[in-house]
Amino acid sequence: AQTVTQSQPEMSVQEAETVTLSCTYDTSESDYYLFWYKQPPSRQMILVIRQEAYKQQNATENRFSVNFQKAAKSFSLKISDSQLGDAAMYFCAYRRGGTSGSRLTFGEGTQLTVNP
Amino acid sequence: GAVVSQHPSRVICKSGTSVKIECRSLDFQATTMFWYRQFPKKSLMLMATSNEGSKATYEQGVEKDKFLINHASLTLSTLTVTSAHPEDSSFYICSARAIGTLNYGYTFGSGTRLTVV
Repeated sequence: AQTVTQSQPEMSVQEAETVTLSCTYDTSESDYYLFWYKQPPSRQMILVIRQEAYKQQNATENRFSVNFQKAAKSFSLKISDSQLGDAAMYFCAYRRGGTSGSRLTFGEGTQLTVNP
Repeated sequence: GAVVSQHPSRVICKSGTSVKIECRSLDFQATTMFWYRQFPKKSLMLMATSNEGSKATYEQGVEKDKFLINHASLTLSTLTVTSAHPEDSSFYICSARAIGTLNYGYTFGSGTRLTVV
């Protein structure tokens, strides 16, 4: 079974600084997708960024980027120029590839605090 | 973009009564709906997966007779918590996967906070 591990229950960063959230996963599949979701206090799940396993290039979305290390099964999220609105719970998630409609497997989450 | 409307956002019910939570896909057809339960400051725990027109597949340890899931149409799925008890109090979230979207297409509802008194 696939597992996703986030080893940092809590992280904090100063506004305008950079922070990296860690995620590792375990799978025997070669085709899969990885995601970072943000859950602010409203508890609405928001997709931050996604990565297809077959792509070697790391995904980037504005201030958010990932460091995808497929061999190490590592998928960290870097937030640059942190803003107060980035404060949230961040979840790393895995999904098997293919068209079977398989579920997302979530990590335990990292609570990010942004200090002014 | 794709939107899933989840109602109610908050509900308080008496112990022993049933509560229905609805998730509607507003601008797309949801072939698959996932129902999650989330405790405070914890991760999302998958309860069940439902495909339109089929019976839901429940995760191990989830009581199918207590958490009734219906996915009768491509735009509506419901979760009914039957004979609710205080231990059922939690935050419930639905997530839909759409026909024709790329393989990463998941859309989440805004969640329902259930309090059983």
